[in-house]
Amino acid sequence: QSVLTQPPSVSGAPGQRVTISCTGSSSNIGAGYDVHWYQQVPGTVPKLLIYGNDNRPSGVPDRFSGSKSGTSASLAITGLQAEDEADYYCQSYDSSLSSFHIFGTGTMVTVL
Amino acid sequence: EVHLLESGGNLVQPGGSLRLSCAASGFSFTNIAMAWVRQAPSQGLELVSVIHGGRGPSFYAEYADFVKGRFTISRDNSKDTLYLQMNSLSAEDTAMYYCARGRGSGRYQDWSFDLWGRGTLVTVAS
Repeated sequence: QSVLTQPPSVSGAPGQRVTISCTGSSSNIGAGYDVHWYQQVPGTVPKLLIYGNDNRPSGVPDRFSGSKSGTSASLAITGLQAEDEADYYCQSYDSSLSSFHIFGTGTMVTVL
Repeated sequence: EVHLLESGGNLVQPGGSLRLSCAASGFSFTNIAMAWVRQAPSQGLELVSVIHGGRGPSFYAEYADFVKGRFTISRDNSKDTLYLQMNSLSAEDTAMYYCARGRGSGRYQDWSFDLWGRGTLVTVAS
């Protein structure tokens, strides 16, 4: 049961900007742990999209950006494209009773 | 080319055991942390276990609560291979199991996972 909450779905028209929130608490994001984001196109393997809150691995378009503030983080996609239709997951670390790496609940992005 | 290839997934009865393997290639495996991540059908991602890198013979490992005492992660650096021994399996363990490479230069709590295998399917059913 994840302690990082994401909206189940977001949608936007091609070219629009969409944001996905990742809401945590003082034992994970609020404790200063980095947040990472993954993209999983249906039927494929998860792909690292953003690491260390706001860094893009080589090859990831600059349409994708990450940010973090307080106990939450966000992923923004600008200039939405059909190929961006996928599930997106945030990931961080939780230092509560059962300390371990955790994924968010996941958000499905639909391009209208 | 960097690559991770999982194997060992199968249909197993409740209470049974299974051993997954993940063969790494194209990068220096020894000092890299590795992880197992699972995804139940139409569900989200769950990190199962992480093992730190190093020359051994012992390696620090962490587990999600839902597998503690049942699963054991290990690695053989001489074979560039990661393992997951799974015991006392139940239907809730049915999932695609992915092997993933840890990424990070600082504290391990800030690691991400930058390379994933294609996964191996574990089905627990009678």
